[in-house]
Amino acid sequence: QSALTQPASVSGSPGQSITISCTGTSSDVGGYNYVSWYQQHPGKAPKLMIYDVSSRTSGVSNNFSGSKSGNTASLTISGLQAEDEADYYCSSYTSSSTLCVFGTGTKVTV
Amino acid sequence: QVQLQESGPGLVKPSETLSLTCTVSGGSVSTDRYWWSWIRQPPGRELEWIGYIYYSGSTNYNPSLKSRVTISLDMSKNQFSLRLSSVTAADTAVYYCARSHGSPPPRLFDYWGQGTLVTVSS
Repeated sequence: QSALTQPASVSGSPGQSITISCTGTSSDVGGYNYVSWYQQHPGKAPKLMIYDVSSRTSGVSNNFSGSKSGNTASLTISGLQAEDEADYYCSSYTSSSTLCVFGTGTKVTV
Repeated sequence: QVQLQESGPGLVKPSETLSLTCTVSGGSVSTDRYWWSWIRQPPGRELEWIGYIYYSGSTNYNPSLKSRVTISLDMSKNQFSLRLSSVTAADTAVYYCARSHGSPPPRLFDYWGQGTLVTVSS
């Protein structure tokens, strides 16, 4: 089971919107609405931001939104802020025996 | 508030067994609502799910590690543990314990430990 494909880096200015893509296959992203997004600041544990494609975890800013089309999921951060600078990973349930696959990670620079 | 905390040696020799424990506070490992996972992240690389255990003791492992992994549960101490045998330098990583809920597992990970770096070196 290969990792889901994400762009290595995305950058934006404060206040702008950015979108991070997460591309998989019909066995994972395309086959289930079980995509999650995690934010990871340097030296810290990942934090669940979005689950089930588009549901926001309690306490997460509504600047964060998720969507999916076919085998590609997306995380959009609107009104970009300095504290949004972090690594972001997507994850999906998969029908393969691996059960869970993570993305390659995207470094967001503000 | 649920908290998870990993503990164990930070240095393991090649061919030996890596052992880590995750202590859960603010919640119980013996509830049927959650699955308890181990996840690792090699330096500069992406996350990799290792496996999970359910309160019943049932487990599921990543096939790439299955032959070397054992995850166990100690309800009396509210802990779960990871053992990874025959380690090599490729097993050097930050190891996280995490909670997941919702079916099918592991559908999402809502609480994580802070992570512990394990280096495999002689």
